[in-house]
Amino acid sequence: QVQLVQSGDEMKKPGASVKVSCKASGYTFTTYGMSWVRQAPGQGLEWMGWITTYNGRTKYAQSLQGRVTITTDTSTSTVYMELRGLTSDDTAVYYCARTLPPDYWGQGTLVTVSS
Amino acid sequence: EIVLTQSPGTLSLSPGERATLSCRASQSVSDSYLAWYQQKPGQAPRLLIYGASSRATGIPDRFSGSGSGTDFTLTINRLEPEDFAVYYCQRYDNSPYTFGQGTKLEIK
Repeated sequence: QVQLVQSGDEMKKPGASVKVSCKASGYTFTTYGMSWVRQAPGQGLEWMGWITTYNGRTKYAQSLQGRVTITTDTSTSTVYMELRGLTSDDTAVYYCARTLPPDYWGQGTLVTVSS
Repeated sequence: EIVLTQSPGTLSLSPGERATLSCRASQSVSDSYLAWYQQKPGQAPRLLIYGASSRATGIPDRFSGSGSGTDFTLTINRLEPEDFAVYYCQRYDNSPYTFGQGTKLEIK
């Protein structure tokens, strides 16, 4: 069965970076791209970016351009999302989600930014 | 950038009633590449509808989607207790693949 397993919750200080992983299993990894979506506490869903897993091409939300990088390691079927220059506004649950529209989602990773 | 506006913000209904949720796009969504999701507290979103009107795998037929261009609707017939949740629409025709702000469906 399809599974997306994300890395554990993170606590970061303002200005730091975070890198969240998403390991896929149960399907041919390079057949489907991956999105990252985040959700601040009590807020809606925000699309962050996309990676085409077979060639590494990416698309990012304008609001995060320059701070976010999505990469993939096809040897381990893992997608990574790195966010730099963290502020308290980046406190959120971060999800990876397969393909468009996303049909399978990771369990979510809570990133808390606090001094 | 296309903005998706969902209405109403909150919808209060009773089990057994019909819910009608709206998603309006600021520009036309190509090829009806519009999806709907359900999200319950503490859970990841679940895909309900894709291509504006196709039900995802395992989604009950009381959920239906319609619309094209800039106006889309999610209809839930005969509300069940487990249907009370937050619903989001998303465009996936062109980047950025933005979401609407959500509609909360609550028990009256």
